[in-house]
Amino acid sequence: AQKVTQAQTEISVVEKEDVTLDCVYETRDTTYYLFWYKQPPSGELVFLIRRNSFDEQNEISGRYSWNFQKSTSSFNFTITASQVVDSAVYFCALSPSNSGYALNFGKGTSLLVTP
Amino acid sequence: SQTIHQWPATLVQPVGSPLSLECTVEGTSNPNLYWYRQAAGRGLQLLFYSVGIGQISSEVPQNLSASRPQDRQFILSSKKLLLSDSGFYLCAWSGTSGGPTSSYNEQFFGPGTRLTVL
Repeated sequence: AQKVTQAQTEISVVEKEDVTLDCVYETRDTTYYLFWYKQPPSGELVFLIRRNSFDEQNEISGRYSWNFQKSTSSFNFTITASQVVDSAVYFCALSPSNSGYALNFGKGTSLLVTP
Repeated sequence: SQTIHQWPATLVQPVGSPLSLECTVEGTSNPNLYWYRQAAGRGLQLLFYSVGIGQISSEVPQNLSASRPQDRQFILSSKKLLLSDSGFYLCAWSGTSGGPTSSYNEQFFGPGTRLTVL
């Protein structure tokens, strides 16, 4: 069974604070893919990153960074120096390699960044 | 570049009425196509996916159906809407070629259709 857990339902931070969004996943597949998507108030899901199960290198893209740890089945997302425009719902997702590439989403974390 | 369109953007329908939501993709060939529903509480649920014309896989049994009459067209339908069908419907596409290090697994989403059944 595939499962993604985002335990944080809502997070509120003040601008310029750093914030980490947690994602824990469950899968029996040895090959799988992990994703993060951002859903701003407009509703459209915006792709942020994909990680393959055989690549545990962390990644940094500007103020965004991702920490993938297979030992703890986690794929956490950190925003450094948060900005008001970062306010959105963030989804972590898992895609097993043999499922027709279907995505299993977590329930999302709503991030509110206030000035 | 690839773009994905959905229409209508919003829809209010009475219970028992039919439904037809359309999704089209431009700038790519033979994409995988997906329908998701996002109900209150924010979780996204995969409803259908298609790996080719006329090939539809259903993930959740319900009164909805999907069809793919053309390579880049994906339609979500219902003969009789229920109150529980209300939600935000998202169409997505992904590529189909490449190995594990390619970008084929990313799904790119359309703007969505907000459906309210009264």
